[in-house]
Amino acid sequence: DTGVSQNPRHKITKRGQNVTFRCDPISEHNRLYWYRQTLGQGPEFLTYFQNEAQLEKSRLLSDRFSAERPKGSFSTLEIQRTEQGDSAMYLCASSPPRLVTTDTQYFGPGTRLTVL
Amino acid sequence: AQKVTQAQTEISVVEKEDVTLDCVYETRDTTYYLFWYKQPPSGELVFLIRRNSFDEQNEISGRYSWNFQKSTSSFNFTITASQVVDSAVYFCALSEDFGNEKLTFGTGTRLTIIP
Repeated sequence: DTGVSQNPRHKITKRGQNVTFRCDPISEHNRLYWYRQTLGQGPEFLTYFQNEAQLEKSRLLSDRFSAERPKGSFSTLEIQRTEQGDSAMYLCASSPPRLVTTDTQYFGPGTRLTVL
Repeated sequence: AQKVTQAQTEISVVEKEDVTLDCVYETRDTTYYLFWYKQPPSGELVFLIRRNSFDEQNEISGRYSWNFQKSTSSFNFTITASQVVDSAVYFCALSEDFGNEKLTFGTGTRLTIIP
């Protein structure tokens, strides 16, 4: 059973450049989440998709951030005009279709972004 | 608003000792879910347990056990006979039953097992 995969695993970029990350969820998981984790902190919620619909965005997600899930399968997270404060680990998680109760989110290995 | 507090930033114990990681949560919801995740040095969050707010039974899984007490809003995690492989950062998390079920994480406890 393949888990959540994320690419790239590491990204180093210069301030002002655009970057894009990809997340492939566990197959048949229709819900997909993006989180950001800075050093010494727990992950913080960024955005959530159910199938291709983006249902919620955190206030942490500034206008420079955009996420898509065009066909309800993989998702991309783009950061435009990166700033040093964007340096963090970006985590993707997926969970199966909700039946009756909240289900577990399974996380990928993350993409570590360093903005110079 | 939901909040999860893990007051223990770092804990070190000698191998084979028992260790308890504390988690205190705040929520206005009557139905909610609590989770523990392990984050080893590789960085990937590994799911350990999920517990809903109506199930206060303690759970044991091998050397791991969890104590959920609604009266004190706590969901503590105990590792018995710790091993070096248990060294990691452990996160407690909370989600609502309805809505997008996003996870609210604590700041984590870094556990180091000394051989």
